[in-house]
Amino acid sequence: EAQVTQNPRYLITVTGKKLTVTCSQNMNHEYMSWYRQDPGLGLRQIYYSMNVEVTDKGDVPEGYKVSRKEKRNFPLILESPSPNQTSLYFCASSFIMQRPKNEQFFGPGTRLTVL
Amino acid sequence: AQKITQTQPGMFVQEKEAVTLDCTYDTSDQSYGLFWYKQPSSGEMIFLIYQGSYDEQNATEGRYSLNFQKARKSANLVISASQLGDSAMYFCAMRDLLVGDKLIFGTGTRLQVFP
Repeated sequence: EAQVTQNPRYLITVTGKKLTVTCSQNMNHEYMSWYRQDPGLGLRQIYYSMNVEVTDKGDVPEGYKVSRKEKRNFPLILESPSPNQTSLYFCASSFIMQRPKNEQFFGPGTRLTVL
Repeated sequence: AQKITQTQPGMFVQEKEAVTLDCTYDTSDQSYGLFWYKQPSSGEMIFLIYQGSYDEQNATEGRYSLNFQKARKSANLVISASQLGDSAMYFCAMRDLLVGDKLIFGTGTRLQVFP
């Protein structure tokens, strides 16, 4: 089944404790992206990657890191989480060709709470 | 800068009735794509419908149709014959091809369908 998976789905942590949210897709997509969703703000892009070893900042990259060592994986790293990073996080992927029509596939979301 | 505006924070509709969710957009690009996503209470993002800026006909997908008025820069979602399962948050989004290939989201409209 074609899908984007994220782990964990739910996470409660404390300020300053490093964490990683994994994202994996099995559709051979070149493009992968992370979004965060906050009430009243919709979804905003954090980081994106156009291909292996190619990553760039989105609209709200502060406090986050990413890496793209393999085509299928795009982990999101919070080196020192803070309460303002409490949010719902989505990973998404798509092909680069056939834009703008090609659909971005979303993972199920990771609900993160930083105390 | 590209922007999506959804002016209806919440909408109510009776089962079996049609409902229109508003979306206006702002872009200086000639080629762009517009998407609608559904987010049920479980949190996942479900792709509903796509409209390309050069598409001559309004997009339709089952009970979903998109009322695309290019001159007015609007892309309203029409749900016909509403069902209780349509109760969810709905997001309008536009593909930004120039910067990060990201989706720019509106703030969403929460639709509630009552019997």
